[in-house]
Amino acid sequence: GENVEQHPSTLSVQEGDSAVIKCTYSDSASNYFPWYKQELGKRPQLIIDIRSNVGEKKDQRIAVTLNKTAKHFSLHITETQPEDSAVYFCAARSPGTASKLTFGTGTRLQVTL
Amino acid sequence: EAQVTQNPRYLITVTGKKLTVTCSQNMNHEYMSWYRQDPGLGLRQIYYSMNVEVTDKGDVPEGYKVSRKEKRNFPLILESPSPNQTSLYFCASSLKPRTGGYEQYFGPGTRLTVT
Repeated sequence: GENVEQHPSTLSVQEGDSAVIKCTYSDSASNYFPWYKQELGKRPQLIIDIRSNVGEKKDQRIAVTLNKTAKHFSLHITETQPEDSAVYFCAARSPGTASKLTFGTGTRLQVTL
Repeated sequence: EAQVTQNPRYLITVTGKKLTVTCSQNMNHEYMSWYRQDPGLGLRQIYYSMNVEVTDKGDVPEGYKVSRKEKRNFPLILESPSPNQTSLYFCASSLKPRTGGYEQYFGPGTRLTVT
């Protein structure tokens, strides 16, 4: 089955700096890669996603890049703000596995003033 | 308001006492899933359902049961809970992928402690 590795497990940046979280996946047939943000005590919520036919996607301060050859995708957050502090999860979906998303182990991002 | 609801939100129980965590969605989603979240392990899928009466195992199904008798409901059953099932549980739902419904909508979570 699919295996997703996520790094780093914790990340501390100063407000205004950029943050990058990286994930690798094992199934070359995986075709959908979402990123979820989970604030303390809350449910995970989708912040951005990318499909395998696209190399990059941006939404304001957030961007995701996908390298299918390397089976690698990354989340980039620019001009970080304190409200970006949360746990971020990457995930991958293999085709033919219905609703199965395989998640990474999460990155705790702390944005300090 | 479109949402996924779970009950109870918090539960403390003892080993071996059967329990059910309910999940309901009002978005007419075909797909529903249960995940458990443990520190350092991320979100792991327990069971999923593609439609009414269609369920299948995820990555960590041992010790759990599910049923899907109605489209909106997907209860998680622990017949004989054990302390290693102490965890934070999330229900999620989504549309069928071929209709563009990739996004999973999560419920608020149920924190279960088994002593």
